[in-house]
Amino acid sequence: AQRVTQPEKLLSVFKGAPVELKCNYSYSGSPELFWYVQYSRQRLQLLLRHISRESIKGFTADLNKGETSFHLKKPFAQEEDSAMYYCALFLNYGQNFVFGPGTRLSVLP
Amino acid sequence: DAGVTQSPTHLIKTRGQHVTLRCSPISGHKSVSWYQQVLGQGPQFIFQYYEKEERGRGNFPDRFSARQFPNYSSELNVNALLLGDSALYLCASSLGGIAKNIQYFGAGTRLSVL
Repeated sequence: AQRVTQPEKLLSVFKGAPVELKCNYSYSGSPELFWYVQYSRQRLQLLLRHISRESIKGFTADLNKGETSFHLKKPFAQEEDSAMYYCALFLNYGQNFVFGPGTRLSVLP
Repeated sequence: DAGVTQSPTHLIKTRGQHVTLRCSPISGHKSVSWYQQVLGQGPQFIFQYYEKEERGRGNFPDRFSARQFPNYSSELNVNALLLGDSALYLCASSLGGIAKNIQYFGAGTRLSVL
């Protein structure tokens, strides 16, 4: 079955430290992966998607098909990065989206 | 532009009742998707509608149904409510298909089933 796992429910780092939010997926097809973010009292919004190969707010994510991972990274965390982060997989078959359980990132001053 | 709007914001129902949730997409967006988010979990995909046709369906029972109107607004209907249907229901709109186009989410409707 198609699945997205995010092993950490909560990740705390200090301001200026590197951060890596882990995401692993299981899917037999060609994966299309996304990171969504929800800041406090705001709506869920797209952060980045692997097909765009972009860097948003200093975050990057590389698709590693061998390890079936799509980890989100930022070299220097900022307090405003504190939020809930969801990794999501789009399934071409069935036109379905599968979200992971989410990781709450807390950036400490 | 107000973004994606959902109504009502909160709803309390009892088991066995029926509920209708409504979503208005961003102007110009032709696709609407519905998600269920149970407390402490990620959103679960329920339906996608594009150009008034169902284009995707998640693993939900037939008690869940939806439709999209000519103005691209959408309704999600849930029959025979169960306690487990208590959740935040999110609507998202996009210009087109949900893989290639950015989804913009509404604030959600919080449904409590007693």
